[in-house]
Amino acid sequence: AQSVAQPEDQVNVAEGNPLTVKCTYSVSGNPYLFWYVQYPNRGLQFLLKYITGDNLVKGSYGFEAEFNKSQTSFHLKKPSALVSDSALYFCAVRDRPGSARQLTFGSGTQLTVLP
Amino acid sequence: DTGVSQDPRHKITKRGQNVTFRCDPISEHNRLYWYRQTLGQGPEFLTYFQNEAQLEKSRLLSDRFSAERPKGSFSTLEIQRTEQGDSAMYLCASSLAGRREGRFEQFFGPGTRLTVL
Repeated sequence: AQSVAQPEDQVNVAEGNPLTVKCTYSVSGNPYLFWYVQYPNRGLQFLLKYITGDNLVKGSYGFEAEFNKSQTSFHLKKPSALVSDSALYFCAVRDRPGSARQLTFGSGTQLTVLP
Repeated sequence: DTGVSQDPRHKITKRGQNVTFRCDPISEHNRLYWYRQTLGQGPEFLTYFQNEAQLEKSRLLSDRFSAERPKGSFSTLEIQRTEQGDSAMYLCASSLAGRREGRFEQFFGPGTRLTVL
């Protein structure tokens, strides 16, 4: 079975500072990993994915994430946070090649960027 | 807007009533997914279609829940005899299939928020 853990319910960071939102995963094979962001009363917006290749992946709005196979982690990062980055962030995983197409999500991390 | 759309956005119903939600995926996407999200949690998978075929169902999908995608385009999710525990946000997502770039990410609609009184 696949699972995702987001160990921090809440992350606060000052505007202009770097931010990190943590994610660890568990799968039986090699993972597909994703980050999504959710604004209030909105659906999830895709930020970035790791499928294969370079461990550092770049996504929308200046976000990036680093895949670390030995630590089974896929932390989301941004060099300089904006107040508008404040939202709920979800990490998700899918087994590869596995027959299951669905994503398994973490419980989410609320990011607050303070002006 | 060419994204995933869902209707209605909000539904309030009384316990025991039936409700039906609709999802219109991105037009070229042949995979369609339903998820349920409760407050403070990440979305949980309910069911998945490839074209009109329902290929997977979660154990969360009790026999009161049924989903269809009759022509491989839009999908409906029906909940019969609603219970207060069904109150949640119901999210629909779609994705490409086959060996095409962009086939891995799922694109989500805005969701239907169900409140069962």
